[in-house]
Amino acid sequence: GAGVSQSPSNKVTEKGKDVELRCDPISGHTALYWYRQSLGQGLEFLIYFQGNSAPDKSGLPSDRFSAERTGGSVSTLTIQRTQQEDSAVYLCASSLSGSNNEQFFGPGTRLTVL
Amino acid sequence: AQSVAQPEDQVNVAEGNPLTVKCTYSVSGNPYLFWYVQYPNRGLQFLLKYITGDNLVKGSYGFEAEFNKSQTSFHLKKPSALVSDSALYFCAVRVQYNFNKFYFGSGTKLNVKP
Repeated sequence: GAGVSQSPSNKVTEKGKDVELRCDPISGHTALYWYRQSLGQGLEFLIYFQGNSAPDKSGLPSDRFSAERTGGSVSTLTIQRTQQEDSAVYLCASSLSGSNNEQFFGPGTRLTVL
Repeated sequence: AQSVAQPEDQVNVAEGNPLTVKCTYSVSGNPYLFWYVQYPNRGLQFLLKYITGDNLVKGSYGFEAEFNKSQTSFHLKKPSALVSDSALYFCAVRVQYNFNKFYFGSGTKLNVKP
């Protein structure tokens, strides 16, 4: 079956521009996560959606970052007024509800801010 | 606070030798433990998990891990390493009844030499 997909795979932008990153989770997965991974580093939690509940935004690094999930499926991560330190790979993951379920990750979007 | 530690940034092993990638955790509550692997320029792939029951769990690609409650560890092992096992490995923990977050370790780069 189809896995988690993300688009674009690569995004190069200029400092100060806004970018939108898209995630299509696995059908039926109610939980969706966004992470940021700097070059060869660990994962930094950004935001978590679970069904119709209010998202956990505790990992968003600044108010330039926002995310939404429409219809409980597709999610968009928006970064406004991008900065060079925003350059990283942005990973999306989805899972079934329940804390014993593993996450399935997308291939990521590599963002480069010039 | 919940946390996961992977004390080794890098592990080097010769092909055919056994490998161990270490993981320790600190949580309040019952832990659910996971291992993921990341190949270059790819998203993370699920390897195995411990939820309950037998402390030794077996996963994909011949990997296994042992949950040790007294040592709060969940080390990843494989009896005979392959060059193709070379990748970045992440340990993660989730706490029962706290669905929001997976807490990831910083990752361990495994190098298997021919």
